[in-house]
Amino acid sequence: SQKIEQNSEALNIQEGKTATLTCNYTNYSPAYLQWYRQDPGRGPVFLLLIRENEKEKRKERLKVTFDTTLKQSLFHITASQPADSATYLCALGFQKLVFGTGTRLLVSP
Amino acid sequence: NAGVTQTPKFQVLKTGQSMTLQCAQDMNHNSMYWYRQDPGMGLRLIYYSASEGTTDKGEVPNGYNVSRLNKREFSLRLESAAPSQTSVYFCASSGGPSTNEKLFFGSGTQLSVL
Repeated sequence: SQKIEQNSEALNIQEGKTATLTCNYTNYSPAYLQWYRQDPGRGPVFLLLIRENEKEKRKERLKVTFDTTLKQSLFHITASQPADSATYLCALGFQKLVFGTGTRLLVSP
Repeated sequence: NAGVTQTPKFQVLKTGQSMTLQCAQDMNHNSMYWYRQDPGMGLRLIYYSASEGTTDKGEVPNGYNVSRLNKREFSLRLESAAPSQTSVYFCASSGGPSTNEKLFFGSGTQLSVL
């Protein structure tokens, strides 16, 4: 069956460092992959979309890579700030978008 | 521009009661979705509507019904609530001219079934 895995343990880093979150998937051949941010008590907010023919995509301090051979996406936040603390979700599919369980990021001052 | 609006924000039901969760979007999106989010389970798709007049089951449709009332509105109905339906429910939409694949979420409904 299709499966998306994100590290369920929280990632704790210091302000200014680069945070790297991982999304692995099995039994998918996605045309693209998306990343969302979710704050407590709020709905997820779209961050980035990367297509299967794109190796890397950047938006300000965010960078996403997509390796369809490894079936993995990496999500990087450079120069992290306490305001980046949130849960980050990856998602695959079209219309019936399937989400991973998310990884909580904690950035301490 | 309100985006996706869900009502109510909180609801407590007794087992067997019924209720309808309302969702409306003002972005002229074609597709709308209902997800539930449970600890450790992530977001799971209940139903979606690819366009006005169509609905389709997602991963966990049992115990729910939906209505795509018009292009703006997509409601989720629990006919006979069960404790297993205690969850946070999110409505989402997508399908704008330059935002086709991105989902825009509402702020959620916290539902408790006692």
